[in-house]
Order: sequence, then C-alpha cells, then structure tokens
Amino acid sequence: EAGVAQSPRYKIIEKRQSVAFWCNPISGHATLYWYQQILGQGPKLLIQFQNNGVVDDSQLPKDRFSAERLKGVDSTLKIQPAKLEDSAVYLCASSLDRAPDTQYFGPGTRLTVL
Amino acid sequence: AQRVTQPEKLLSVFKGAPVELKCNYSYSGSPELFWYVQYSRQRLQLLLRHISRESIKGFTADLNKGETSFHLKKPFAQEEDSAMYYCAQGYSSASKIIFGSGTRLSIRP
Repeated sequence: EAGVAQSPRYKIIEKRQSVAFWCNPISGHATLYWYQQILGQGPKLLIQFQNNGVVDDSQLPKDRFSAERLKGVDSTLKIQPAKLEDSAVYLCASSLDRAPDTQYFGPGTRLTVL
Repeated sequence: AQRVTQPEKLLSVFKGAPVELKCNYSYSGSPELFWYVQYSRQRLQLLLRHISRESIKGFTADLNKGETSFHLKKPFAQEEDSAMYYCAQGYSSASKIIFGSGTRLSIRP
C-alpha cells in the first residue's frame, strides 16, 4: 500500500512569513496526526483528527498554527506568522483506528525559519 | 505531566557487543510502551510494543513497573542496527503517544 505522503519536503522562509504543509494519509485511515519534531527532541503531537473532526489540539499554538481536514482525507497545517522557534520537522501520521501503536508516519517536512 | 526519559543521546558500541538503550517513564497505572526506530533516510516506524512481548530484529524490551523502565536490549549488535531509537508511551483512551527525546545508536565495525 502507498504510504503517508507529505509536501513539500523542505521549506525555508523568513520569520513573520506564512507557510503551509500538506499531508495525504494512507487510504482508508480515519485518524490523522500532525507532530512537530524540534532538533534533538522526540516528536510532539500538535493535533489529531478523527475523520474531519479534531480529537486533540491541546498542544497546538493556536495563535499562529491552524490545521484542517475538510473532507476527512487530506490535511493542511499552516503557520502564520512563523517564528524562529518553529524551525523543525513536521511529521504527519495516519492510522486505521485510534490504537496508539498503529500509526504510519510520513517522511516529514523540514522547515527552516530565518 | 507524563514524561518519557531517554538519558543517552548517543550510544556507540562495537559490532557483536551487547546493546541496552535506556528508557524510563512517569505514568502510574498500566502504561502502553513502545520502541520506535528511524533508520537513515527512512521514516519513523514502530519497532516493538511491550504488550506483545515479542523480539524484533533480535531486540527485546521488558517492562519493569517497579523501576518504571522499558529498556531496549540486543545481545549482539549488528551494523544495520545503527539508527535513532525513540521510546514512547501510549494512551489508548486518548490514542496519543508521547515520545522520548531519542537515542542515536551507532555500531562500530
């Protein structure tokens, strides 16, 4: 089966600019996750969708980050405006159900904010 | 707050030597613990889960509730084991995972 797809793979922007990331989960996977992985740290969950509804966004900095999954399939994560500390790899994952160990990860988008 | 601690950022061992990657968790109760691995230029993937008590690629991990540890072990390291390893704690009720900061395992020939 095709894996989780993400684009772009790399993005360099200046602080205060906006950026958007796209994720296409594995077909049929109802649950979609966005993680932020800062250099030297493990992935940190930003937001979790079940179909097109938000299950958990407790760690999403809502003043600048937003995410949507309009049709319960693809998802976009947006940062507006970006700060230097947003430099990280943004990982998307999907799972068929809500079991925590059934997540399949995408390749990630490496964001550099200058 | 729940926390997963991996005290070693880097572990370097010779091929054929035993490997132990340390992991401690803070959740009281019945935790669900996992090890994830990321090989160079590959995606993060599940290596093993404590509940299945399985051995994957020669690795095992035993849950020690008394010491709140879930160390990953392999008796004889191989060069292809070089990778980034993340210990993680899951919560079925919330279907979320908390990751440790990771340990880079480097196997020297």
